[in-house]
Amino acid sequence: DAKTTQPDSMESTEGETVHLPCSHATISGNEYIYWYRQVPLQGPEYVTHGLQQNTTNSMAFLAIASDRKSSTLILPHVSLRDAAVYHCILMNQGGSAKLIFGEGTKLTVSS
Amino acid sequence: AQTIHQWPVAEIKAVGSPLSLGCTIKGKSSPNLYWYWQATGGTLQQLFYSITVGQVESVVQLNLSASRPKDDQFILSTEKLLLSHSGFYLCAWGLGGRFAETLYFGSGTRLTVL
Repeated sequence: DAKTTQPDSMESTEGETVHLPCSHATISGNEYIYWYRQVPLQGPEYVTHGLQQNTTNSMAFLAIASDRKSSTLILPHVSLRDAAVYHCILMNQGGSAKLIFGEGTKLTVSS
Repeated sequence: AQTIHQWPVAEIKAVGSPLSLGCTIKGKSSPNLYWYWQATGGTLQQLFYSITVGQVESVVQLNLSASRPKDDQFILSTEKLLLSHSGFYLCAWGLGGRFAETLYFGSGTRLTVL
């Protein structure tokens, strides 16, 4: 699986819009970009995923670069509940999932 | 709605004792099932996965074994615990298919081996 690179940490304030970057320069054509988030002693929570087009759901907006070598997870109006480690992961199309988690970005939200 | 239940929530066990952790998924038939492990302060590692009853594939051994006795149940076990088995164990399910598979995780079991 191709590797992703994320900043170790980011800080924000409640109400702000947060942009979490992810670099995946060696992504292959059949790899999806997945985002999960995890708080201590809880299981990872699915946030969103995409292949080529930008996607949006109730949690976040995923912006994917036209060359697919980078993506940005955009969290609008963050609250304290959005504080977590955010993981950007590449997943092959088809077959059994092999989610490989790295260190992710630790997002801190202050009031 | 689908629910995933893991048991127990937490365990404190002695080195050399046996272990059995369980996971049940309700509301989905024939899911793919996964076991993950996270050492304290470490990253999540996939241990096992199963796409059907009776079939389990090992990804990382760690002197553990897994079984899928029923479509909705996944068991992680060992006969002799090691100190290195301490950590956070997570079960997850997905539906597989032609496209990328989204995994949904349980709330985990915290294991302390003394």
